Amino acid sequence: AQTVTQSQPEMSVQEAETVTLSCTYDTSESDYYLFWYKQPPSRQMILVIRQEAYKQQNATENRFSVNFQKAAKSFSLKISDSQLGDAAMYFCAYRSARDGGTSYGKLTFGQGTILTVHP
Amino acid sequence: ETGVTQSPTHLIKTRGQQVTLRCSSQSGHNTVSWYQQALGQGPQFIFQYYREEENGRGNFPPRFSGLQFPNYSSELNVNALELDDSALYLCASSLSPGWDSSRNEQFFGPGTRLTVL
Repeated sequence: AQTVTQSQPEMSVQEAETVTLSCTYDTSESDYYLFWYKQPPSRQMILVIRQEAYKQQNATENRFSVNFQKAAKSFSLKISDSQLGDAAMYFCAYRSARDGGTSYGKLTFGQGTILTVHP
Repeated sequence: ETGVTQSPTHLIKTRGQQVTLRCSSQSGHNTVSWYQQALGQGPQFIFQYYREEENGRGNFPPRFSGLQFPNYSSELNVNALELDDSALYLCASSLSPGWDSSRNEQFFGPGTRLTVL
């Protein structure tokens, strides 16, 4: 079974600064997806960024970028020029790319990191 | 385009009761997944429905059951409620359940907060 671990329960950053959230995962599969989701106090989970395991290039979405280290099974999220609206719980998640099986379509989430942004 | 909606927003039940939670998928989405998120934890996969059939299930007992309707909306039913069932229940819809990364992104609803007393 796949597991996702986020070792930072809480992180804080000053507005306009850069912060990196850590995530490690364990899997025996070679083909999978990794995601970072943001969950603000309103509770609605929003996709921030995704990475396909077969792609060597790190994904980037505006101020958000990842450092994907497949051999180390590490997937960190870097937020540049942090804004007050970035404050939320951030979840790292894993999804198998294989079809079929009883866990089809399953996202496996880490425990989350609460990000506080100070003005 | 309407996003994923869930009802009710909050619900309070007592131990042993039954509850039904509802989810309307995003327009054009035929796949619905349900997750349980305990306070301060990450969501846990309950099951997924695709074209009215259960398509995958996590480690939840049979008293957690679901339905998907022809319009792809979905219900989550929980029987014999236990205190540990208190959680935020999230529904997510996608264009398809498959491997195609352009179609399997899950869009989440705001959740239903269930409290079991």
